[in-house]
Amino acid sequence: GAVVSQHPSRVICKSGTSVKIECRSLDFQATTMFWYRQFPKQSLMLMATSNEGSKATYEQGVEKDKFLINHASLTLSTLTVTSAHPEDSSFYICSVYNLGQSTDTQYFGPGTRLTVL
Amino acid sequence: DAKTTQPPSMDCAEGRAANLPCNHSTISGNEYVYWYRQIHSQGPQYIIHGLKNNETNDMASLIITEDRKSSTLILPHATLRDTAVYYCIVRVRGGGYQKVTFGTGTKLQVIP
Repeated sequence: GAVVSQHPSRVICKSGTSVKIECRSLDFQATTMFWYRQFPKQSLMLMATSNEGSKATYEQGVEKDKFLINHASLTLSTLTVTSAHPEDSSFYICSVYNLGQSTDTQYFGPGTRLTVL
Repeated sequence: DAKTTQPPSMDCAEGRAANLPCNHSTISGNEYVYWYRQIHSQGPQYIIHGLKNNETNDMASLIITEDRKSSTLILPHATLRDTAVYYCIVRVRGGGYQKVTFGTGTKLQVIP
């Protein structure tokens, strides 16, 4: 498999502030990482695909200027929620795709719980 | 990706086998069946995948019908720690990443 970490695990912030969430691939170099959002009692919704060294690809309906993604290295992708509002409160999960593994699947981080007051 | 349908919830007694069904009637010939699970407030965890043959690993067994229109994930001896939402997904394998769409899954409650 693959080991993926996220930091912080939970964060509480005031409305209007920006929050940065880190996603790290600990045991292999990930050219592609993904960011998901999950609201309570709902399934995961893909927000964007993060490619190392290039711009992220956002899903329809996801605001690029609000959810800034930076995949500056093969082991780190960051998601910045800018000018956060209470409706941005959610569980944010990253994943990495390891083509080299026989399972050819994604491995997910533990998630970050964001609460915007 | 082809769509899948799963029952919204199931109960299973601790120590018994948990059988989780999934329908994927529009699956294409080159699409695999993948199963993940998500324990509350954690990221999803890969369980198993298969194309047309039955598969088994340390976590579970996967039974795919001959026509590949449905499958069953089997947890042979369910424990309380298996309580989670289980997602069945179909996708093409290899050739790089293809976007995966998570459905609503089955919430499995293992009862003591």
